[in-house]
Amino acid sequence: AQKVTQAQTEISVVEKEDVTLDCVYETRDTTYYLFWYKQPPSGELVFLIRRNSFDEQNEISGRYSWNFQKSTSSFNFTITASQVVDSAVYFCALDRLSNFGNEKLTFGTGTRLTIIP
Amino acid sequence: DVKVTQSSRYLVKRTGEKVFLECVQDMDHENMFWYRQDPGLGLRLIYFSYDVKMKEKGDIPEGYSVSREKKERFSLILESASTNQTSMYLCASSKGRGSLNTEAFFGQGTRLTVV
Repeated sequence: AQKVTQAQTEISVVEKEDVTLDCVYETRDTTYYLFWYKQPPSGELVFLIRRNSFDEQNEISGRYSWNFQKSTSSFNFTITASQVVDSAVYFCALDRLSNFGNEKLTFGTGTRLTIIP
Repeated sequence: DVKVTQSSRYLVKRTGEKVFLECVQDMDHENMFWYRQDPGLGLRLIYFSYDVKMKEKGDIPEGYSVSREKKERFSLILESASTNQTSMYLCASSKGRGSLNTEAFFGQGTRLTVV
């Protein structure tokens, strides 16, 4: 069975601070994919990043960076110099390898991030 | 611009009513999904479909059914709505066969209240 744990239910930081959102996953598969999605107040989830289990390189995209560590089954997300627009609920998700586009994404419970101006 | 559109943002229905939630995507995606989002539980998969007229049960299919008569449209049906089905419902779509674990695109959600 697959499982994703986001232990931080809510985080509040002051604007311009850095913040890290934790994600720990469980799977018996050797090949899998990890995702992060952002859900702003408008409601629709927005894709941020996809990472497969063979690629442990960290990734940076502007103020966003992701740290994938297979040894600890973690895929953490850091926002540098946070802005009010970063306020949202963030979901980490896990998917089995599939050539049908997706298997069944398993989501964590989400972390609500509030950036205080 | 890619789009997944859900027919209603907010819906209020009575217990026992038959409820239809509609979802349309304009990306020619093969895969479509229905999730339910509840506080503290994240998103849970209700049903998904890899092709027209195809459906597969997700993790919580009880009390729901789906219909996919056309590629672009995926309907979620609550046969007899109950108060424990009050929730946010999210539709998603993604590329299908031949695409390796692509990202899913989500609609804006339908907040359903059953009274």
